[in-house]
Amino acid sequence: DQQVKQNSPSLSVQEGRISILNCDYTNSMFDYFLWYKKYPAEGPTFLISISSIKDKNEDGRFTVFLNKSAKHLSLHIVPSQPGDSAVYFCAARGGATNKLIFGTGTLLAVQP
Amino acid sequence: EAGVAQSPRYKIIEKRQSVAFWCNPISGHATLYWYQQILGQGPKLLIQFQNNGVVDDSQLPKDRFSAERLKGVDSTLKIQPAKLEDSAVYLCASSASTGGYEQYFGPGTRLTVT
Repeated sequence: DQQVKQNSPSLSVQEGRISILNCDYTNSMFDYFLWYKKYPAEGPTFLISISSIKDKNEDGRFTVFLNKSAKHLSLHIVPSQPGDSAVYFCAARGGATNKLIFGTGTLLAVQP
Repeated sequence: EAGVAQSPRYKIIEKRQSVAFWCNPISGHATLYWYQQILGQGPKLLIQFQNNGVVDDSQLPKDRFSAERLKGVDSTLKIQPAKLEDSAVYLCASSASTGGYEQYFGPGTRLTVT
C-alpha cells in the first residue's frame, strides 16, 4: 500500500529553467509534507516542508505547493542549477507516532 | 555541530550470517530512527526510539531484526540471520523531538547479502 507516490522516476532539465517534481498521497490525515534531497553515498537532507493548513511555502529558489483536494504536492526549483542534480524524496508525516512515509524518489538531472 | 555517524559504511555477508550496524545521533537529539532503503524505493521506517524507549517498531521484522539504544544515545541494529532480501542501505536519523519533521540522516550502511 503505497501511501506516498512519486510517479516520475527521473527528470531532466536545462540549467536556468524550472524543475517541477510531483508527489501524490492517499491519506488525508497527513499533517506535514516534506522534501528531502539525496546525493549518492550520502543520507537524505531536509530541503523544505509545508503544513497541511497551507498551500504554498517558499524558501529561496525552492517552492512547495500543496493541493489538498487533489492530494497532490509539487516542488518547484527556479532557476535550476547543476548542483541541484540529486534524488528528491517526498515524505508525509502522520499517524500516532508522527512517522514519515517516503515516496520512491525522483532523480533530477540538471544539464549545464 | 557533528552530524549523525554510522558504521560501517559498507558490509558484505553471506545469507544466514549475522551483522550489526552502529549509529551515533546528533548530540542532544532524543529521537532516533532506523530506516531501510531498498534500491529504487524510499526509506522505510524500521524502528523509532524516544530516548531509550521504543516508540514504533511496527515494521521491524522481529524474527530476525533487533535494535537497542542504551543510555538514550548510541544505537545498534542487528540482523540475524540475514536473508538475500535484506540487501539495502540502512539509514539512521535523529531529531530533537518525537515526530520532529527535521530528521537528520547519517550516510547509511550499504549491506549486501550474497
